[in-house]
Amino acid sequence: EAQVTQNPRYLITVTGKKLTVTCSQNMNHEYMSWYRQDPGLGLRQIYYSMNVEVTDKGDVPEGYKVSRKEKRNFPLILESPSPNQTSLYFCASSPNPLGVGNTEAFFGQGTRLTVV
Amino acid sequence: AQKVTQAQTEISVVEKEDVTLDCVYETRDTTYYLFWYKQPPSGELVFLIRRNSFDEQNEISGRYSWNFQKSTSSFNFTITASQVVDSAVYFCALYSNDYKLSFGAGTTVTVRA
Repeated sequence: EAQVTQNPRYLITVTGKKLTVTCSQNMNHEYMSWYRQDPGLGLRQIYYSMNVEVTDKGDVPEGYKVSRKEKRNFPLILESPSPNQTSLYFCASSPNPLGVGNTEAFFGQGTRLTVV
Repeated sequence: AQKVTQAQTEISVVEKEDVTLDCVYETRDTTYYLFWYKQPPSGELVFLIRRNSFDEQNEISGRYSWNFQKSTSSFNFTITASQVVDSAVYFCALYSNDYKLSFGAGTTVTVRA
């Protein structure tokens, strides 16, 4: 089954304790991205990756890091989480950037992160 | 910079009523793509439609229809004869040449039986 898998689904952590949210897709997609969803703000893009070893900042990259060492995985790293990073996070993938062909973004199930 | 505005924060209707969700976008690009996603209470994001800027044809899919008007930079979504299962948050999104997908704030639709 084609899917984007995020882990963990729920996480409560303390300020300053490094964490990683994993994202894996089994569709051989080139384009992957991370979003955070906050009430009243919709989803905002954190980082995106056009392909292996190619990443770039989205609209709200501060406090986050990503890596793309292999095509299927795109982990989101919070080196020193703070309470303002409490949010619902989504990973997404698509065969190529959304402007190419008749593509859509496939989203993971979401990770609800609470930083206390 | 691009921007998507969904002015309606919440809409509440009784089952079988029609409901229209507004979406207004801003972009300087001539080539762009518009999307609607549904987020049911379970939290996942469900793709509904993708439309490119060169195709202004309206689209109907079952009880769902979309009205794309470039002249007013709008891409509105109508649910006809709403059902309780339509209760969800609906997001409009815009993608253009900067490889970013920009979402509106979302509209929460509640359909009461």
